[in-house]
Amino acid sequence: EVVLTQSPGTLSLSPGERASLSCRASQSIVSSQLAWYQQKPGQAPRLLMYGSSTRATGIPDRFSGSGSGTDFTLTITRLEPEDFVVYYCQQYDTSPYTFGQGTKVEIK
Amino acid sequence: QVQLQESGPGPVKPTQTLSLICSVSGASITSDDHFWSWIRHLPGKGLEWIGYISDRSLTFYNPSLRSRVTISLDTSKSQFSLKLTSVTAADTAVYYCARGRYLVDSRGYRSYAMDVWGQGTTVTVSS
Repeated sequence: EVVLTQSPGTLSLSPGERASLSCRASQSIVSSQLAWYQQKPGQAPRLLMYGSSTRATGIPDRFSGSGSGTDFTLTITRLEPEDFVVYYCQQYDTSPYTFGQGTKVEIK
Repeated sequence: QVQLQESGPGPVKPTQTLSLICSVSGASITSDDHFWSWIRHLPGKGLEWIGYISDRSLTFYNPSLRSRVTISLDTSKSQFSLKLTSVTAADTAVYYCARGRYLVDSRGYRSYAMDVWGQGTTVTVSS
């Protein structure tokens, strides 16, 4: 099973700052099979990025993704108030399709 | 607009079978290369992929749950369902259904993702 480790567990930042969220895989995965999801309290996860770096429909361009092999990053430039929620990465390269444990972005 | 909605009977007792239905609207449940999925959010543990059924009724399950899980398709009702047998308290979670499919990413590769999710339904296993 591919273990995805997200860091940090919690990121404390102020609105307008830049956030960098890491997702590290226990083995190399194909970058086209890495996605990022955003989850707001009481809501279902929402697809943010697929193919590690392609924004899903309707996702603002302050969100970007990068990485390959075992190291992937979700970057949010200029944090907006609605961005202070939880983010998950997921890999679809190897069964079972595993998720990271999540990074919570909180207001400092 | 594609929408998914989970429904289920509510609390389940240990050793019983958990049964959930996901109703799909705004998309054909038999669309090519669609993978109708179940995921759960375990309290304090994060998200766990349970499995999916394809538009051609091919199933693929998480090995950790395979012996207890069945996902099936009802095309006449545009629904798919989850059955999880012999439940314990460890199966208490919020259960989501979602649509998985291949999207073409910015480099031209087919990238799998779950792009539409239901709101989720809480299932509590308790005697």
